[in-house]
Amino acid sequence: EAGVAQSPRYKIIEKRQSVAFWCNPISGHATLYWYQQILGQGPKLLIQFQNNGVVDDSQLPKDRFSAERLKGVDSTLKIQPAKLEDSAVYLCASSLGGGGEWNSPLHFGNGTRLTVT
Amino acid sequence: LAKTTQPISMDSYEGQEVNITCSHNNIATNDYITWYQQFPSQGPRFIIQGYKTKVTNEVASLFIPADRKSSTLSLPRVSLSDTAVYYCLVGDTGRRALTFGSGTRLQVQP
Repeated sequence: EAGVAQSPRYKIIEKRQSVAFWCNPISGHATLYWYQQILGQGPKLLIQFQNNGVVDDSQLPKDRFSAERLKGVDSTLKIQPAKLEDSAVYLCASSLGGGGEWNSPLHFGNGTRLTVT
Repeated sequence: LAKTTQPISMDSYEGQEVNITCSHNNIATNDYITWYQQFPSQGPRFIIQGYKTKVTNEVASLFIPADRKSSTLSLPRVSLSDTAVYYCLVGDTGRRALTFGSGTRLQVQP
């Protein structure tokens, strides 16, 4: 099966600019996640979608970050305006059900490496 | 969500068996234990999942004692390509996503 697709692979922007990331999950996966991974740390959940709806966005900095899942399939994550501390890898993942459920592991894309200068 | 504690790093040599232990003292009755592997410049990859006793697949074994307060990921005969960060996560059958800790950085030397 095709994996989780993300683009772009790399992005360099200046602070206060805006940026958008795109994710196409594995076909049939109802749940989609965006994680932020700062160098040397584990991935941190930003937002979780179940089909079209948001399950958890408690750690999403809503004053600058936004995300949507189009028709329950593709998703975009946007940052506007970007700050230096947003430099990180942004990972998209999908799963059949919830990530903690039996036999419903997360499948990750290779991420977008964002550098904010 | 149950908090997990893992060693920050481990070193091994090719051909050795590596055991990485994870503590999860507050694991709940419905929680499963899942391990992921992450290589540089890649997203984490699922390795193995279990609830109790022992689970084995083609790449690893997972040992879970009766009290389930810890688990051990066992990698048989590691090679250089097993150098990666390994994450232990616990979660339940709810819809909420698992929380990643800082993981264990395994370095395999020739």
